[in-house]
Amino acid sequence: DTAVSQTPKYLVTQMGNDKSIKCEQNLGHDTMYWYKQDSKKFLKIMFSYNNKELIINETVPNRFSPKSPDKAHLNLHINSLELGDSAVYFCASSHRTSGGSTDTQYFGPGTRLTVL
Amino acid sequence: LAKTTQPISMDSYEGQEVNITCSHNNIATNDYITWYQQFPSQGPRFIIQGYKTKVTNEVASLFIPADRKSSTLSLPRVSLSDTAVYYCLVGGNAGNMLTFGGGTRLMVKP
Repeated sequence: DTAVSQTPKYLVTQMGNDKSIKCEQNLGHDTMYWYKQDSKKFLKIMFSYNNKELIINETVPNRFSPKSPDKAHLNLHINSLELGDSAVYFCASSHRTSGGSTDTQYFGPGTRLTVL
Repeated sequence: LAKTTQPISMDSYEGQEVNITCSHNNIATNDYITWYQQFPSQGPRFIIQGYKTKVTNEVASLFIPADRKSSTLSLPRVSLSDTAVYYCLVGGNAGNMLTFGGGTRLMVKP
Protein backbone atom coordinates (compact mmCIF):
# COMPACT_ATOMS: atom_id res chain seq x y z
CA ASP A 1 0.00 0.00 0.00
CA THR A 2 3.04 2.28 -0.07
CA ALA A 3 2.09 5.39 -1.99
CA VAL A 4 5.57 6.63 -2.93
CA SER A 5 8.44 4.19 -2.63
CA GLN A 6 12.15 4.60 -3.17
CA THR A 7 15.00 2.15 -3.55
CA PRO A 8 17.49 1.74 -2.13
CA LYS A 9 16.92 3.16 1.34
CA TYR A 10 20.66 3.44 1.90
CA LEU A 11 23.40 3.83 -0.69
CA VAL A 12 27.10 3.95 0.10
CA THR A 13 29.51 4.44 -2.77
CA GLN A 14 32.88 5.80 -3.78
CA MET A 15 33.63 9.15 -5.35
CA GLY A 16 33.51 9.11 -9.11
CA ASN A 17 30.96 6.32 -9.36
CA ASP A 18 27.65 6.57 -11.19
CA LYS A 19 24.51 5.55 -9.29
CA SER A 20 20.75 5.60 -9.66
CA ILE A 21 17.92 5.93 -7.18
CA LYS A 22 14.53 4.60 -8.17
CA CYS A 23 11.14 6.06 -7.31
CA GLU A 24 7.68 4.67 -7.91
CA GLN A 25 4.26 6.06 -7.04
CA ASN A 26 0.97 4.19 -7.17
CA LEU A 27 -1.25 7.22 -6.63
CA GLY A 28 -1.96 7.86 -10.28
CA HIS A 29 -0.29 11.25 -10.05
CA ASP A 30 0.95 13.04 -13.12
CA THR A 31 3.83 14.98 -11.61
CA MET A 32 6.89 13.76 -9.75
CA TYR A 33 9.76 15.51 -8.02
CA TRP A 34 13.18 15.00 -6.55
CA TYR A 35 14.41 16.85 -3.46
CA LYS A 36 17.77 16.89 -1.68
CA GLN A 37 17.98 17.28 2.09
CA ASP A 38 21.42 18.12 3.39
CA SER A 39 22.94 17.63 6.82
CA LYS A 40 21.44 20.91 8.01
CA LYS A 41 18.00 19.57 7.11
CA PHE A 42 17.32 22.12 4.39
CA LEU A 43 15.09 20.55 1.77
CA LYS A 44 15.80 21.76 -1.76
CA ILE A 45 13.82 21.01 -4.90
CA MET A 46 15.90 19.54 -7.71
CA PHE A 47 13.41 18.64 -10.43
CA SER A 48 9.74 18.80 -11.23
CA TYR A 49 8.60 16.47 -14.01
CA ASN A 50 5.47 15.33 -15.75
CA ASN A 51 4.94 13.86 -19.16
CA LYS A 52 4.90 17.28 -20.69
CA GLU A 53 7.67 19.21 -19.07
CA LEU A 54 10.82 18.95 -17.03
CA ILE A 55 11.64 21.87 -14.81
CA ILE A 56 15.12 21.94 -13.39
CA ASN A 57 16.34 23.95 -10.46
CA GLU A 58 19.19 25.87 -12.03
CA THR A 59 21.46 25.19 -9.08
CA VAL A 60 21.46 21.43 -9.75
CA PRO A 61 24.67 20.21 -11.46
CA ASN A 62 24.18 18.52 -14.80
CA ARG A 63 25.65 15.36 -13.28
CA PHE A 64 22.14 14.82 -11.95
CA SER A 65 19.50 13.70 -14.41
CA PRO A 66 15.94 12.47 -13.92
CA LYS A 67 14.77 9.58 -16.06
CA SER A 68 11.13 8.62 -16.35
CA PRO A 69 10.26 5.33 -18.07
CA ASP A 70 6.56 5.97 -17.43
CA LYS A 71 4.21 8.16 -15.40
CA ALA A 72 4.58 6.09 -12.26
CA HIS A 73 8.36 6.17 -12.14
CA LEU A 74 10.99 8.89 -11.88
CA ASN A 75 14.52 7.70 -11.32
CA LEU A 76 17.44 9.90 -10.39
CA HIS A 77 20.74 9.18 -12.07
CA ILE A 78 23.91 10.72 -10.72
CA ASN A 79 27.20 10.70 -12.62
CA SER A 80 30.67 11.14 -11.17
CA LEU A 81 29.56 11.27 -7.55
CA GLU A 82 31.23 13.81 -5.29
CA LEU A 83 31.56 14.05 -1.51
CA GLY A 84 29.11 16.95 -1.47
CA ASP A 85 26.41 14.77 -2.98
CA SER A 86 26.04 12.99 0.34
CA ALA A 87 22.52 13.74 1.54
CA VAL A 88 19.05 12.27 1.81
CA TYR A 89 17.17 12.33 -1.48
CA PHE A 90 13.38 12.39 -1.44
CA CYS A 91 11.06 11.61 -4.26
CA ALA A 92 7.55 13.09 -4.25
CA SER A 93 4.47 13.10 -6.44
CA SER A 94 1.33 15.16 -6.86
CA HIS A 95 -1.70 15.54 -9.06
CA ARG A 96 -1.62 18.79 -10.94
CA THR A 97 -4.72 20.74 -9.97
CA SER A 98 -6.19 23.87 -11.41
CA GLY A 99 -7.28 26.98 -9.55
CA GLY A 100 -3.91 28.19 -8.40
CA SER A 101 -3.53 26.20 -5.21
CA THR A 102 -0.30 24.41 -4.54
CA ASP A 103 -0.63 20.72 -5.26
CA THR A 104 -0.29 18.50 -2.20
CA GLN A 105 2.89 16.53 -2.55
CA TYR A 106 3.33 13.02 -1.23
CA PHE A 107 6.87 12.14 -0.28
CA GLY A 108 8.73 8.87 -0.30
CA PRO A 109 10.75 7.62 2.67
CA GLY A 110 14.03 8.95 1.33
CA THR A 111 17.33 7.47 0.21
CA ARG A 112 20.38 8.23 2.31
CA LEU A 113 23.35 8.57 -0.02
CA THR A 114 26.85 8.50 1.42
CA VAL A 115 29.79 9.21 -0.86
CA LEU A 116 33.16 8.12 0.47
CA LEU B 1 9.82 32.85 -4.83
CA ALA B 2 8.42 34.11 -1.57
CA LYS B 3 10.82 33.57 1.30
CA THR B 4 9.56 32.32 4.65
CA THR B 5 10.90 32.88 8.15
CA GLN B 6 10.07 30.61 11.07
CA PRO B 7 11.48 30.09 14.55
CA ILE B 8 14.23 27.51 14.50
CA SER B 9 12.83 25.56 17.43
CA MET B 10 10.04 25.45 19.99
CA ASP B 11 9.40 23.43 23.10
CA SER B 12 6.04 22.45 24.50
CA TYR B 13 4.41 20.00 26.87
CA GLU B 14 1.85 17.33 26.23
CA GLY B 15 -1.69 18.62 26.17
CA GLN B 16 -0.77 22.20 25.35
CA GLU B 17 -1.76 24.14 22.26
CA VAL B 18 1.17 25.04 20.06
CA ASN B 19 1.22 27.98 17.67
CA ILE B 20 3.98 28.28 15.10
CA THR B 21 4.13 31.54 13.18
CA CYS B 22 5.65 31.98 9.77
CA SER B 23 6.50 35.29 8.11
CA HIS B 24 6.21 35.68 4.35
CA ASN B 25 6.34 39.40 3.67
CA ASN B 26 6.65 39.15 -0.11
CA ILE B 27 3.87 36.67 -0.70
CA ALA B 28 2.35 37.00 -4.15
CA THR B 29 -1.34 37.43 -4.86
CA ASN B 30 -1.72 33.91 -6.23
CA ASP B 31 0.37 32.15 -3.59
CA TYR B 32 -1.13 29.68 -1.18
CA ILE B 33 0.34 28.90 2.24
CA THR B 34 1.09 25.27 2.99
CA TRP B 35 2.48 23.49 6.04
CA TYR B 36 4.29 20.17 6.06
CA GLN B 37 5.42 17.98 8.95
CA GLN B 38 8.56 15.84 8.90
CA PHE B 39 9.45 13.12 11.36
CA PRO B 40 13.04 11.86 11.63
CA SER B 41 14.01 9.52 8.81
CA GLN B 42 10.77 10.17 6.94
CA GLY B 43 9.66 12.38 4.10
CA PRO B 44 7.58 15.50 4.75
CA ARG B 45 3.83 15.05 5.10
CA PHE B 46 1.16 17.59 4.14
CA ILE B 47 -0.70 19.08 7.12
CA ILE B 48 -2.80 21.98 5.91
CA GLN B 49 -3.10 24.63 3.24
CA GLY B 50 -4.89 27.96 3.07
CA TYR B 51 -5.19 31.21 1.19
CA LYS B 52 -6.78 33.59 3.68
CA THR B 53 -8.64 33.78 7.01
CA LYS B 54 -8.88 30.42 8.77
CA VAL B 55 -8.69 26.82 7.68
CA THR B 56 -9.26 23.86 9.99
CA ASN B 57 -8.92 20.15 9.48
CA GLU B 58 -8.69 17.13 11.75
CA VAL B 59 -5.02 17.77 12.46
CA ALA B 60 -4.53 21.53 12.75
CA SER B 61 -5.79 25.03 12.13
CA LEU B 62 -4.20 27.67 9.98
CA PHE B 63 -4.75 31.34 10.68
CA ILE B 64 -3.94 33.90 7.99
CA PRO B 65 -4.42 37.63 8.62
CA ALA B 66 -5.88 39.93 6.02
CA ASP B 67 -2.51 41.14 4.73
CA ARG B 68 -1.32 37.52 4.33
CA LYS B 69 2.22 38.48 5.31
CA SER B 70 2.26 35.85 8.00
CA SER B 71 0.45 32.70 9.01
CA THR B 72 0.10 30.67 12.19
CA LEU B 73 -0.15 26.92 12.40
CA SER B 74 -2.06 25.86 15.49
CA LEU B 75 -1.76 22.34 16.87
CA PRO B 76 -4.36 21.66 19.57
CA ARG B 77 -3.38 19.55 22.56
CA VAL B 78 -0.06 18.23 21.30
CA SER B 79 1.27 14.81 22.19
CA LEU B 80 4.76 13.36 22.20
CA SER B 81 4.16 12.06 18.68
CA ASP B 82 3.84 15.62 17.40
CA THR B 83 7.58 16.08 17.92
CA ALA B 84 8.77 16.87 14.40
CA VAL B 85 9.98 19.60 12.09
CA TYR B 86 7.25 21.83 10.68
CA TYR B 87 7.78 23.63 7.39
CA CYS B 88 5.91 26.65 6.15
CA LEU B 89 5.83 27.04 2.38
CA VAL B 90 4.50 29.73 0.12
CA GLY B 91 4.08 29.10 -3.55
CA GLY B 92 2.28 27.55 -6.38
CA ASN B 93 4.70 28.76 -8.99
CA ALA B 94 5.49 27.14 -12.32
CA GLY B 95 6.13 23.45 -12.06
CA ASN B 96 4.91 23.47 -8.47
CA MET B 97 8.50 23.83 -7.33
CA LEU B 98 8.16 24.07 -3.58
CA THR B 99 10.77 25.98 -1.62
CA PHE B 100 11.23 24.68 1.90
CA GLY B 101 12.78 26.94 4.51
CA GLY B 102 14.65 25.71 7.55
CA GLY B 103 11.49 24.66 9.36
CA THR B 104 10.64 24.78 13.06
CA ARG B 105 11.79 21.90 15.21
CA LEU B 106 9.01 21.25 17.75
CA MET B 107 9.90 19.25 20.82
CA VAL B 108 6.98 18.02 22.91
CA LYS B 109 7.93 17.00 26.42
CA PRO B 110 6.03 14.79 28.88
